Amino acid sequence: GENVEQHPSTLSVQEGDSAVIKCTYSDSASNYFPWYKQELGKGPQLIIDIRSNVGEKKDQRIAVTLNKTAKHFSLHITETQPEDSAVYFCAAPYNNNDMRFGAGTRLTVKP
Amino acid sequence: NAGVMQNPRHLVRRRGQEARLRCSPMKGHSHVYWYRQLPEEGLKFMVYLQKENIIDESGMPKERFSAEFPKEGPSILRIQQVVRGDSAAYFCASSPTGIHEKLFFGSGTQLSVL
Repeated sequence: GENVEQHPSTLSVQEGDSAVIKCTYSDSASNYFPWYKQELGKGPQLIIDIRSNVGEKKDQRIAVTLNKTAKHFSLHITETQPEDSAVYFCAAPYNNNDMRFGAGTRLTVKP
Repeated sequence: NAGVMQNPRHLVRRRGQEARLRCSPMKGHSHVYWYRQLPEEGLKFMVYLQKENIIDESGMPKERFSAEFPKEGPSILRIQQVVRGDSAAYFCASSPTGIHEKLFFGSGTQLSVL
């Protein structure tokens, strides 16, 4: 079955710097890769997603890159701000009904 | 357009009691997913339901756990005879389609078993 590994588990950056979070997956049939942001006391919120037919997708300060050959995808946040501080989860589909999540990365942006 | 609503936000039960967690999906969404989250871990899939049907319950323990999504009213996740290991955050998500993409999550129910 699908196994999603996420690194690092914690990440601390200075405001204005970039942050990169990486995930690897095992099922070569996976074709959809979302990233979720979870703030304290709230549910995860979808921030960006990518399908396997593209290698990169960007939305303002957030971008996701996908390397299907190596089976890894990354979240890039540029010009980080304190409000970017949260736990970020990657995910990959196991089957049509089961989305497997990484263990999460706690991002802290220091002002 | 209200988001996914879960209640209660916090639920405290003693061992052996029953826990009932409710989820109202976003308006127009007929697909509901339940996830469980332990501290410092990702979300684990439990069950996927459509109105009046359980589509996939492969992630849900066979005993003590059940879920429903009736024609009228919220989806219910029911845990009978709770044990301390059931303590976790339980999240519900809804989707406009049935292909497990573009999930909209509620704020979760934190279950604490004493």
